[in-house]
Amino acid sequence: GAVVSQHPSRVICKSGTSVKIECRSLDFQATTMFWYRQFPKQSLMLMATSNEGSKATYEQGVEKDKFLINHASLTLSTLTVTSAHPEDSSFYICSAEPGGGETQYFGPGTRLLVL
Amino acid sequence: AQKITQTQPGMFVQEKEAVTLDCTYDTSDPSYGLFWYKQPSSGEMIFLIYQGSYDQQNATEGRYSLNFQKARKSANLVISASQLGDSAMYFCAMSSGGTASKLTFGTGTRLQVTL
Repeated sequence: GAVVSQHPSRVICKSGTSVKIECRSLDFQATTMFWYRQFPKQSLMLMATSNEGSKATYEQGVEKDKFLINHASLTLSTLTVTSAHPEDSSFYICSAEPGGGETQYFGPGTRLLVL
Repeated sequence: AQKITQTQPGMFVQEKEAVTLDCTYDTSDPSYGLFWYKQPSSGEMIFLIYQGSYDQQNATEGRYSLNFQKARKSANLVISASQLGDSAMYFCAMSSGGTASKLTFGTGTRLQVTL
C-alpha cells in the first residue's frame, strides 16, 4: 500500500516551454501533497504544499506564477513549470500524506532537463 | 525555524556490520516528528522509520532502529547487519506538530557498504 506515482519520470524540453508533472496517490486518498525540488548532490527543498480544492501554499522564494500547482482531486496533484529555463533543470519529487497521522510517501521523482 | 544537521557526508561500512548515521535537530516546537529516508541512485525516497517527540521508546523497523536522545536533540539511525543493497543516500527529516506536515531535510549521508 501507500504507492505514489509520478509522470513523466524524465523530461527534456526547450527553454521557454511549459512542462506538467503529475503526482498520483494510487491506493489512498491524499488530502495534502507536497512538491520538493532536489539539485544534484543536495537535499530536498520543499517548494509548496498542495491541498485538495484550495490554493497551494508556497515556500519563501518559490515563484507561484512559475510553478503552478493544481490539486484537483484527492489522488492527483500537478506541477506545471511555466516558461522553463535551464536553471529550472532539477529533480522534482512529490509526496502524499494519507491523513490520520501517517508519514508522507514519496513518488519516484521527475528529472527535468531544460535545454 | 527548524533545522536538521547531518555531519557525515559519507560513511563506509563492511557488509554484515552495524553502522550509525548521525542526525541532530533544532526546533522550538514541543511536538515534532523525526524521519529517516533512504534514497538510492534511482532517486525515489524510501521511508525507513519514524519517531515522535513524545514516544517513550526508540523506534525500530526490522534492521533499522532510531536512537532518540531528546535532551541531546539527536535522532541517529542505526542499521544492523548491513547489506550491499543498503548503499544509498540517507536523509534525516523533521516535521512539526508530529507527523503529516511539511518536512525539513538534512543534507544527507552517503553510505557505502563494502564486501
